[in-house]
Amino acid sequence: EPEVTQTPSHQVTQMGQEVILRCVPISNHLYFYWYRQILGQKVEFLVSFYNNEISEKSEIFDDQFSVERPDGSNFTLKIRSTKLEDSAMYFCASIGLRGTAGELFFGEGSRLTVL
Amino acid sequence: SQQGEEDPQALSIQEGENATMNCSYKTSINNLQWYRQNSGRGLVHLILIRSNEREKHSGRLRVTLDTSKKSSSLLITASRAADTASYFCATDQSGGSYIPTFGRGTSLIVHP
Repeated sequence: EPEVTQTPSHQVTQMGQEVILRCVPISNHLYFYWYRQILGQKVEFLVSFYNNEISEKSEIFDDQFSVERPDGSNFTLKIRSTKLEDSAMYFCASIGLRGTAGELFFGEGSRLTVL
Repeated sequence: SQQGEEDPQALSIQEGENATMNCSYKTSINNLQWYRQNSGRGLVHLILIRSNEREKHSGRLRVTLDTSKKSSSLLITASRAADTASYFCATDQSGGSYIPTFGRGTSLIVHP
């Protein structure tokens, strides 16, 4: 069964450092998302991406965040200068069809710990 | 905010009992989905119900949707210890981009 894969599973970094989280969405999917979940809290939308550009982003997704799809398979989330409050699980998700109801396929997440 | 809000926040039951979780939301939706999350893992899609549907079944899961009350319920019948997880509803606001928005979830513990 196709799946979304994320790396690394866990990253520990110092405040102020840059972090890149990687995702390989399901191969024939077209729409990609990043969500984050601070421990024990709700799953928060960060950004959606389609056709090599951001389609929507939340207030959380400020100038410190960026996304790109450097090749045909990877989808990355970069945090330029991490803050303590960036510590969370970051989930990548993808969906095949836009504009129609459909399930999101989530990866297992990347746990980011900022010290 | 369009996000759904689940209720209760936590639910503890015995194996074999039914578990009911509720979700309320604020504005018109295209569809509502329920997801499950085992501790420290990714979310897994359970069931989707469209705004023109009132009830849907999948195995031991039964979902209802009342658009007049802007609420949905997820019923898990004959629960098992393996059903222990957090359950989230996700709503997709009608007229906007497709951004499923999640609530805080219900933490379900099923005691063997």
